[in-house]
Amino acid sequence: EAGVTQFPSHSVIEKGQTVTLRCDPISGHDNLYWYRRVMGKEIKFLLHFVKESKQDESGMPNNRFLAERTGGTYSTLKVQPAELEDSGVYFCASSPLDSRNIQYFGAGTRLSVL
Amino acid sequence: AQKVTQAQTEISVVEKEDVTLDCVYETRDTTYYLFWYKQPPSGELVFLIRRNSFDEQNEISGRYSWNFQKSTSSFNFTITASQVVDSAVYFCALSEYPNTDKLIFGTGTRLQVFP
Repeated sequence: EAGVTQFPSHSVIEKGQTVTLRCDPISGHDNLYWYRRVMGKEIKFLLHFVKESKQDESGMPNNRFLAERTGGTYSTLKVQPAELEDSGVYFCASSPLDSRNIQYFGAGTRLSVL
Repeated sequence: AQKVTQAQTEISVVEKEDVTLDCVYETRDTTYYLFWYKQPPSGELVFLIRRNSFDEQNEISGRYSWNFQKSTSSFNFTITASQVVDSAVYFCALSEYPNTDKLIFGTGTRLQVFP
């Protein structure tokens, strides 16, 4: 069974540009989460989807970040326009609806904003 | 406020040594869960263990063991007879499930095991 996959693994963009990160959860997992780790700091929660609905977006830093999950399958996280402080590793995780307490993570996308 | 503290930024040991990774947490909830994840060089976070607040029994899985003590708000992780493959960053996390799904992570401890 495939795990959580994230694409790209690394993205380097200039300040002001737009970047879209993609996450494919484990097949059948209705819960999907986004987290971010800024260099050397803790991994912080961004938001939680249940199927295509946003259940909790309390961690989204500002309106330059837009997350979508059309059709309840894969999810995208767009940053527009990117700022220097957006650099970090963006992790995606998923869990099944009936056992959502354990989250399974992908390898992350490392975003570098120059 | 919820918080997880991993005071050890980096630990280096020689193979076969035992090593303990510390985790201290803060929460006002009486129902919560604690987790450990491992991040090997490949990058993904690998789930290791989940513990709920009502179960203070220690757990052992092979060379890994976990010591949960509510009295000191700690959930420490010990690797016995460490191996080079144990080299990774280890994260402790807290969840106030079922109130929320979000995980609150510590800053991680990088463990390097030298041959």
